[in-house]
Amino acid sequence: AQSVTQLDSQVPVFEEAPVELRCNYSSSVSVYLFWYVQYPNQGLQLLLKYLSGSTLVKGINGFEAEFNKSQTSFHLRKPSVHISDTAEYFCAVSVAGGGNKLTFGTGTQLKVEL
Amino acid sequence: AGVTQSPTHLIKTRGQQVTLRCSPKSGHDTVSWYQQALGQGPEFLTYFQNEAQLDKSGLPSDRFSAERTGGSVSTLTIQRTQQEDSAVYLCASSLDAGHYGYTFGSGTRLTVV
Repeated sequence: AQSVTQLDSQVPVFEEAPVELRCNYSSSVSVYLFWYVQYPNQGLQLLLKYLSGSTLVKGINGFEAEFNKSQTSFHLRKPSVHISDTAEYFCAVSVAGGGNKLTFGTGTQLKVEL
Repeated sequence: AGVTQSPTHLIKTRGQQVTLRCSPKSGHDTVSWYQQALGQGPEFLTYFQNEAQLDKSGLPSDRFSAERTGGSVSTLTIQRTQQEDSAVYLCASSLDAGHYGYTFGSGTRLTVV
């Protein structure tokens, strides 16, 4: 079985500052990794995904994440945040190549302040 | 169009039955259901590929059931609702076993009083 740990439940940051949201996973098989964003009262929107290949993945809205197999991590980063980035961010995994079950972390609330 | 869920909000009295509906994104062959309790991440309930329900390991009890007829619309039914069923129910569709990612609907917020 797979599991995901998001260590930070809340991350406050000032506008235009860089941010990193941490995600660690556990799995005995190869996985796909995802970051989703959820705005209030909305569904989940895919930010980026890692399937294979380059360990640095670029997504929408200026976000990027790096897959580190040895540390079983997939941290999300943005060099300069905007007020509009305030939202809940979820890291998720699925079994590579055949899984249709996403296992989510508990989420990180990113709060961008002026 | 993306994934469409209905209704958006639902309030039920304990013991009533509720049916939630999901229309997947055009061309997607898989549909999954997730339950998201307040302040938590979504938790997997069940998954269909075309009309076949291939995984229902996440359904909390036999009060929960799902189906997908005609290979498109899927429904999630909860019988004898209880207060702990209060949550947002999310539907997601995908193509090629999620290789291209999953598209989520906006969810149905169920409140059981």
